[in-house]
This record gives sequence, structure tokens and C-alpha cells, in this order.
Amino acid sequence: AQSVTQLGSHVSVSEGALVLLRCNYSSSVPPYLFWYVQYPNQGLQLLLKYTSAATLVKGINGFEAEFKKSETSFHLTKPSAHMSDAAEYFCAVSENFGNEKLTFGTGTRLTIIP
Amino acid sequence: ETGVTQSPTHLIKTRGQQVTLRCSSQSGHNTVSWYQQALGQGPQFIFQYYREEENGRGNFPPRFSGLQFPNYSSELNVNALELDDSALYLCASSSQGGGADTQYFGPGTRLTVL
Repeated sequence: AQSVTQLGSHVSVSEGALVLLRCNYSSSVPPYLFWYVQYPNQGLQLLLKYTSAATLVKGINGFEAEFKKSETSFHLTKPSAHMSDAAEYFCAVSENFGNEKLTFGTGTRLTIIP
Repeated sequence: ETGVTQSPTHLIKTRGQQVTLRCSSQSGHNTVSWYQQALGQGPQFIFQYYREEENGRGNFPPRFSGLQFPNYSSELNVNALELDDSALYLCASSSQGGGADTQYFGPGTRLTVL
């Protein structure tokens, strides 16, 4: 069974500082991994995804994530935080068994300090 | 290209009632997945429809049921509503039915059960 653990339900960083949101996964087969962002009262927007090509994945809005099999991690980073990055971030995993059931973590709320 | 749309935006029901939520998939997509997001939690997979057939189901009771129509739009029906059914219900569409495929989410329907 697949699962995702997001360490830190709340993360605060200063504007311009590095953003690091942690995600560890568990999967019985090589996983597909996703990061989604959710702004208040909105649905989920895909930031980036890993599908077994390059281990360093670049996404939208300057975010990137690195797949590390040895650490079963897929942490999300951004070199310089912007006020508009304040949102809820979800890591998700799927396994290619013929459907794309996504298993989500519990989310990390990112606050940007001016 | 039209994105995923959901209706209604908000809904208030009382315990024991039945509710129908609707989703229009993105143009060209034949797969629709439904998720329940309780307050402060990550989305939980309810079920998926691929070309009008159920293609996977999460850990939800049978009173959660669905349909997919020939135009690939979908409905989620919940019978005998319980207080714990209060949540944001998200619909996502995708084009291939595979684990690596990107799911595009709608804005959700906020259901409140009193």
C-alpha cells in the first residue's frame, strides 16, 4: 500500500528565504510523485510531478523537487520565497496499477513572513 | 480549453438527506476521480470512472455512488448523509487512466451537513 508523510503541518519562512517542504513516501513499486498547491477556497493545482525520468524535477512558480530513492523522499524547494507562495501544499503518490488513485499527505501550510 | 468545473459551489443539507454533486471534465479527458477533503486534511480518494465504468474505489461505504456520462461528465451521489460527510468534494479529470497521468482538479463543492 502506498502512503505519504509530510513532516511539519505548518512552516513559516521570511520573504526571500529558502522554502523547504518535506515529503517521504512508502510504495511497494516505483512510485509516481506529485506536489500540489491549494490556495484558500480553491481546488488543487499541480506544481510538479516525478514519473521516473530525471530525479530533479522543475515545476511552476520556481519550485523544484528531488526524488531520492535511498531516502524515500521527494522534498519541495524554492530558493527565494515570495508572498504569493503562502498556501497549503500537498504531496501525493500514485502507483501505475491501471488507475491514478492519488494518496495525499496531510498537507503543509506555508506562511511567508514579510 | 475549458478546465474542470463543479456544481454547486456550496451546499447545505441535513442528516439523512441525499445529495448529488456534478463535475464536468476538462476537454479531451475520459477519466474522472472524486476525492473528499475534510477540514485540515488531505484529499481522500473516493472512486474513479474511466469511460463510464468504475475503475477503482477507496475506503468509502456504498452510500457513496457515482456515474459517468457519455460526454465524460460525472456525478457523485451520497445517500443517508451523516455529519462526518461535511467536507470539500473535489473532482479531477485526466486523459489516459495511468498512474503517471496528471489529474486536473476542479474548485470543489463545499458540503455542510447539519
